Amino acid sequence: NAGVTQTPKFRILKIGQSMTLQCTQDMNHNYMYWYRQDPGMGLKLIYYSVGAGITDKGEVPNGYNVSRSTTEDFPLRLELAAPSQTSVYFCASMGWKLSNEQFFGPGTRLTVL
Amino acid sequence: EDKVVQSPLSLVVHEGDTVTLNCSYEVTNFRSLLWYKQEKKAPTFLFMLTSSGIEKKSGRLSSILDKKELFSILNITATQTGDSAIYLCAVWQGAQKLVFGQGTRLTINP
Repeated sequence: NAGVTQTPKFRILKIGQSMTLQCTQDMNHNYMYWYRQDPGMGLKLIYYSVGAGITDKGEVPNGYNVSRSTTEDFPLRLELAAPSQTSVYFCASMGWKLSNEQFFGPGTRLTVL
Repeated sequence: EDKVVQSPLSLVVHEGDTVTLNCSYEVTNFRSLLWYKQEKKAPTFLFMLTSSGIEKKSGRLSSILDKKELFSILNITATQTGDSAIYLCAVWQGAQKLVFGQGTRLTINP
């Protein structure tokens, strides 16, 4: 199993550009999450999904969109990039058993200039 | 508002020292508390604590939860330079969401 994979690993965007961060898991997990981590800070939840076709906002959803058309994929879309979105983005997944550990992807480092 | 607060935010010790990291929380529908270690990439899972007073151990690391006082501690004994990392505490809020603390940056000097 590859676990949770994310692409790209690094990206530099100009203000106003758009991009999609890809996240795929091959563990047949129902729960998937997107977090951002600013320097020296913990992780903040952007969006999450409890299954295909179901998504919900987390703590900091503004400026982002998600979709969950399959169990495996949970892409995060930035529509109009702003410098405040410079961060490291982590995708995570979790199986059906609640209150269990989350499995994290390697992260995407995004810089908006 | 749900929150998880870790202290200290930063800690520098010498190799061989023992350290205690703190995590307090105010979360609705508490289910469990998790500790993660984060080096230069994604967090890696250390412990999950659900019941008060039961210590979890893994080598030199141990952790305990106090659900009455709403806190947890992570102890690391005989620290090594490889223990240098950010340690994250997170609490399950309800059934679906983890709330993370801001992390403790631990530096072990040789």
